[in-house]
Amino acid sequence: ETGVTQTPRHLVMGMTNKKSLKCEQHLGHNAMYWYKQSAKKPLELMFVYSLEERVENNSVPSRFSPECPNSSHLFLHLHTLQPEDSALYLCASSQDEFRGEQFFGPGTRLTVL
Amino acid sequence: GEDVEQSLFLSVREGDSSVINCTYTDSSSTYLYWYKQEPGAGLQLLTYIFSNMDMKQDQRLTVLLNKKDKHLSLRIADTQTGDSAIYFCAESKGNAGNMLTFGGGTRLMVKP
Repeated sequence: ETGVTQTPRHLVMGMTNKKSLKCEQHLGHNAMYWYKQSAKKPLELMFVYSLEERVENNSVPSRFSPECPNSSHLFLHLHTLQPEDSALYLCASSQDEFRGEQFFGPGTRLTVL
Repeated sequence: GEDVEQSLFLSVREGDSSVINCTYTDSSSTYLYWYKQEPGAGLQLLTYIFSNMDMKQDQRLTVLLNKKDKHLSLRIADTQTGDSAIYFCAESKGNAGNMLTFGGGTRLMVKP
């Protein structure tokens, strides 16, 4: 257990659905991250939040919408996804955006039909 | 080309040493990391090295850094079947704080 939990662990959705991924960290960290891990590409950083403010948006399509209501919770809202968006979505947290090792959750395996 | 590169696959026998290699391109990297990912799990930080160090040892793990060649390696002594996993090298860029760039991962298979 790394102190970072993600739900759901598996999600299957159609292209017209709207769903949300949830991440929660119990480490008292101030920075949280969303990564995408697909079969054919290295791990890609999507978003970074520090103290609930977005500090990085790595050219991610608008069909992915992050939300950070407080420093312990991070959401990724999904709508009108494409089959190529199928991947493992990993959440991580660190002490802050400038330092500290990143602790990863177990990921949500997303399949878009 | 990729910022961080790793070979895709490594197979060793139980009890042997494993050496996983990584090359990176950004000379301003401040920290370099090794993460381990077991099936169905997220990434677990194994160890890291600051860019002004040449070597770091932590129990069975030895990290070697050749900054001139931008080459990083992870040596696992007395490799066990439980070490079978994907190992990711990552760098944090000097001017971007804690933003990590990951390699594609090396799948280590340990045979009994």
